[in-house]
Amino acid sequence: GDSVTQMEGPVTLSEEAFLTINCTYTATGYPSLFWYVQYPGEGLQLLLKATKADDKGSNKGFEATYRKETTSFHLEKGSVQVSDSAVYFCALAKYSGAGSYQLTFGKGTKLSVIP
Amino acid sequence: DTAVSQTPKYLVTQMGNDKSIKCEQNLGHDTMYWYKQDSKKFLKIMFSYNNKELIINETVPNRFSPKSPDKAHLNLHINSLELGDSAVYFCASSQGGRSQETQYFGPGTRLLVL
Repeated sequence: GDSVTQMEGPVTLSEEAFLTINCTYTATGYPSLFWYVQYPGEGLQLLLKATKADDKGSNKGFEATYRKETTSFHLEKGSVQVSDSAVYFCALAKYSGAGSYQLTFGKGTKLSVIP
Repeated sequence: DTAVSQTPKYLVTQMGNDKSIKCEQNLGHDTMYWYKQDSKKFLKIMFSYNNKELIINETVPNRFSPKSPDKAHLNLHINSLELGDSAVYFCASSQGGRSQETQYFGPGTRLLVL
């Protein structure tokens, strides 16, 4: 079945450091790929997405590129802020029929940014 | 305006009780979902509905029964609650249809079974 593997956390960085969170996937076909973020005590928010190979998703300084050849969708940010502290989830979406998509999530990576 | 809302936000109850969680979306979406997040933050889909029709029904105990009275609402009823049901339950919605795969999540319902 489909699966998503992302780097284990927690990750602790100093403010303004460079962030990379690795994500690889296993799936048949061509899924869409997502990064969601969960701030403490809150629900999931869509951070960015890419729907086909070589697409780059970007939002709030975060970027990820859909790499079909390496089945990867690594999340990067050039300079993190304390407000970026959260849990980050990589996910893929496959069509299940009748307008419904099934999201398969990675286990999440907790990021803590210290001043 | 809250796009996807859930009630209650917190639910503490005893083993063996029956409880319901409600979800409403005002995005005009056709498809709604329930996910379970366990204590290790792992998220797994439970159900999806498209326009009141059950589409995805993962391996979930039949004590869990979703109900969709209309396409803006998807409720989750849980019978005979067990300790292992303690988790955060998220509702989500998407527009429905091909290439409309982005899902928008509610704030979650934190269920604690004692």
